[in-house]
Amino acid sequence: GESVGLHLPTLSVQEGDNSIINCAYSNSASDYFIWYKQESGKGPQFIIDIRSNMDKRQGQRVTVLLNKTVKHLSLQIAATQPGDSAVYFCAGDSSYKLIFGSGTRLLVRP
Amino acid sequence: DGGITQSPKYLFRKEGQNVTLSCEQNLNHDAMYWYRQDPGQGLRLIYYSQIVNDFQKGDIAEGYSVSREKKESFPLTVTSAQKNPTAFYLCASSPDRGLAGDEQFFGPGTRLTVL
Repeated sequence: GESVGLHLPTLSVQEGDNSIINCAYSNSASDYFIWYKQESGKGPQFIIDIRSNMDKRQGQRVTVLLNKTVKHLSLQIAATQPGDSAVYFCAGDSSYKLIFGSGTRLLVRP
Repeated sequence: DGGITQSPKYLFRKEGQNVTLSCEQNLNHDAMYWYRQDPGQGLRLIYYSQIVNDFQKGDIAEGYSVSREKKESFPLTVTSAQKNPTAFYLCASSPDRGLAGDEQFFGPGTRLTVL
């Protein structure tokens, strides 16, 4: 079946460094991808999204890259801060639904 | 204040009892969703509704039931048939019947513990 997966369950970075969180998906027909941030005990919050007609989109301190050839998605966080510590999920659309990956926990070292 | 509310935040029930989790949204969104999240795992879709009085099973619907009598409300009942109901339950909504390319907005979640 369709799947969305993240490459690493945990990523540890030094405060101030850039973070890169990766995600792979299986559905070639997916048209829309989205990244969420989830803090402990809370619901996921939208970070950034991208449509399949783009390969890059930038937000405030975040950039999403989409490589449709290898079905790969990445989230880059510039100058990572302690407040960025959370679990990050990617999701891709599939028939009126979103398919979520298992999440990467980002740990920020002081 | 627009958003999605879920209540209660924490819920405890005895094994064998049905329990209903509340989800309300004032975003005027057409589509609503219920997900289950287990520790260290991603979100799994239980049920979704694209429009009032209509809903569809997700990937793990067994042991759950829903209703969508009003646009703003999508309650989830965890029945005694659900073998492992202890989990974190998340409700979400999206505009335009959840058509491909829609962000989903999430509520704060309800943590259900069955004793």
